Amino acid sequence: GQQLNQSPQSMFIQEGEDVSMNCTSSSIFNTWLWYKQDPGEGPVLLIALYKAGELTSNGRLTAQFGITRKDSFLNISASIPSDVGIYFCAGPVRGNTPLVFGKGTRLSVIA
Amino acid sequence: DGGITQSPKYLFRKEGQNVTLSCEQNLNHDAMYWYRQDPGQGLRLIYYSQIVNDFQKGDIAEGYSVSREKKESFPLTVTSAQKNPTAFYLCASSILGVAFNQPQHFGDGTRLSIL
Repeated sequence: GQQLNQSPQSMFIQEGEDVSMNCTSSSIFNTWLWYKQDPGEGPVLLIALYKAGELTSNGRLTAQFGITRKDSFLNISASIPSDVGIYFCAGPVRGNTPLVFGKGTRLSVIA
Repeated sequence: DGGITQSPKYLFRKEGQNVTLSCEQNLNHDAMYWYRQDPGQGLRLIYYSQIVNDFQKGDIAEGYSVSREKKESFPLTVTSAQKNPTAFYLCASSILGVAFNQPQHFGDGTRLSIL
């Protein structure tokens, strides 16, 4: 089935550093969603994007809906230990099918 | 508080047994979903339901069954036909929007293991 390609697969960063990750698709998306999953818990919605070029912030997090509608980016500024987790992108691939999720970017923060 | 409740948190299955995972939501959402998560695989869709008494197969439905008798409940049965059931199972719900573009809200998952 359709896959979303997330990169990088994993990241190890120092506390205080900024983080960038992205998600690409071969299909055009009308919606991009970014989730975070803490260990042993369900994913939690961080940011939802509905318009090409849209730039949306949620605290230290900023996400952008790519102009081509085939990619999206998530940035985290001044990382802290609680940013540790897996970050997923997701979107509806075809007209009437549920969300497809990327394989995630695993973030580790070194204090 | 509104939310999605999955139970149990941990579940152990013997070979040849069927087990049922519970998912209840009080968000008044029409759509509900089941995902399977394996390490490094992301979330894979098992089944979903847009309305009571109706559901559709996802990408990996073989060996699983569901029912949707009430709006609030969407239980998943892992049958003995599922040969590799050990995984983390996530239930989600959403309002119905244009082309499934509404965010899904997730429960905290059930971890199923084989004895």
